Amino acid sequence: GAGVSQTPSNKVTEKGKYVELRCDPISGHTALYWYRQSLGQGPEFLIYFQGTGAADDSGLPNDRFFAVRPEGSVSTLKIQRTERGDSAVYLCASSLDTEAFFGQGTRLTVV
Amino acid sequence: KQEVTQIPAALSVPEGENLVLNCSFTDSAIYNLQWFRQDPGKGLTSLLLIQSSQREQTSGRLNASLDKSSGRSTLYIAASQPGDSATYLCAVWWLALTFGSGTRLQVQP
Repeated sequence: GAGVSQTPSNKVTEKGKYVELRCDPISGHTALYWYRQSLGQGPEFLIYFQGTGAADDSGLPNDRFFAVRPEGSVSTLKIQRTERGDSAVYLCASSLDTEAFFGQGTRLTVV
Repeated sequence: KQEVTQIPAALSVPEGENLVLNCSFTDSAIYNLQWFRQDPGKGLTSLLLIQSSQREQTSGRLNASLDKSSGRSTLYIAASQPGDSATYLCAVWWLALTFGSGTRLQVQP
């Protein structure tokens, strides 16, 4: 597609449930990034993929968070045992060099 | 650790004013710097990208400067319009993009 696509755009889940957030990057972009944005704050880095491998996962807050990119294109961010504090907008970006292009984000609400 | 600070946090100006948004970063070893715009409830739109070897970039009414040695960048918006109202985010490419908290701009008609 022309831009970075994220699905779903909104997700409401109950505390303790498992969720998956999907990112479809711009075709041909080798780098993919996940960020989390809380209200009134700038995006916070979670994880970075170069191809299929996680080049840097230092931003993942704890072991409930995991992300995969098995074929070097689409990526899925997985959150286990969701907590209310996980509520945020999750943003995905892709790049070919060092200019990043962002999707519209997934707004996750944990109730 | 790279830290990015944006000042002011919020700004309200009348239509037609020229304005400057400030961004500072603590580690000057950056690859480049990118300015984004974010409308409420939306994703990020890239405005300008300045490579580390460049001093400035211009796009329409926007001009961004970079002084890497002092760890500073400014975004200049000329002849502001109500449609410019949004949050402006500065981000530096260090290990990955590191963002400031943004400046919320309101341009009053």
